Amino acid sequence: QVQLVESGGGVVQPGRSLRLSCAASRFTFSRYGMHWVRQAPGKGLEWVAVIWYDGSNEYYADSVKGRFTISRDNSKNTLYLQMNSLRADDTAVYYCARDLGGFGELYEVADYWGQGTLVTVSS
Amino acid sequence: EIVMTQSPATLSVSPGERATLSCRASQSVSSNLAWYQQKPGQAPRLLIYDASTRATAIPARFSGSGSGTEFTLTISSLQSEDFAVYFCQQYNNWPLTFGGGTKVEIK
Repeated sequence: QVQLVESGGGVVQPGRSLRLSCAASRFTFSRYGMHWVRQAPGKGLEWVAVIWYDGSNEYYADSVKGRFTISRDNSKNTLYLQMNSLRADDTAVYYCARDLGGFGELYEVADYWGQGTLVTVSS
Repeated sequence: EIVMTQSPATLSVSPGERATLSCRASQSVSSNLAWYQQKPGQAPRLLIYDASTRATAIPARFSGSGSGTEFTLTISSLQSEDFAVYFCQQYNNWPLTFGGGTKVEIK
């Protein structure tokens, strides 16, 4: 069964940075696009970013563009989200998720999700 | 950005009854529509994609329909494990956007 384990969340002051990681296992990580999706406490889902299977392309939500960077290390089966200039409204559980596509294609649907890591931005 | 609107916000249904959830897009998304289920304290689970294709291991009581701007998720006979929040998501245009969710609760 596909496994995705996020880490790196915590409490951070506004304006500071944080890097999230997502360790992937039990599937061929290098063949799949990967997403970050977040959920503020008690709220709905917000897509954050996606990266192509080979890291060749990325898309971001407008709310994080210019502040967040998605990246991956296929040799380590790990996905990252570098978050800079954090704001209070970035407070959320951050999920990494595998794209449904695979084999170099991006479907833009998330078929497996990690359990999430909580990021709290507060002074 | 395409806005996804789900209705109702809360649906009260008795076990064994049928549940019908709606999702409307602010502009056409063709059939590029997915449905997810989320239970408290858990990650979302993919149910349906391409508006009507069930994801792996999803029971047949879940079905999706629609195209363009109007979509429906139907749960034919609610089981106890189906009480949860359901989200729709469009993937016709960037950015990907989700609806606000419909909570299905026990009547």
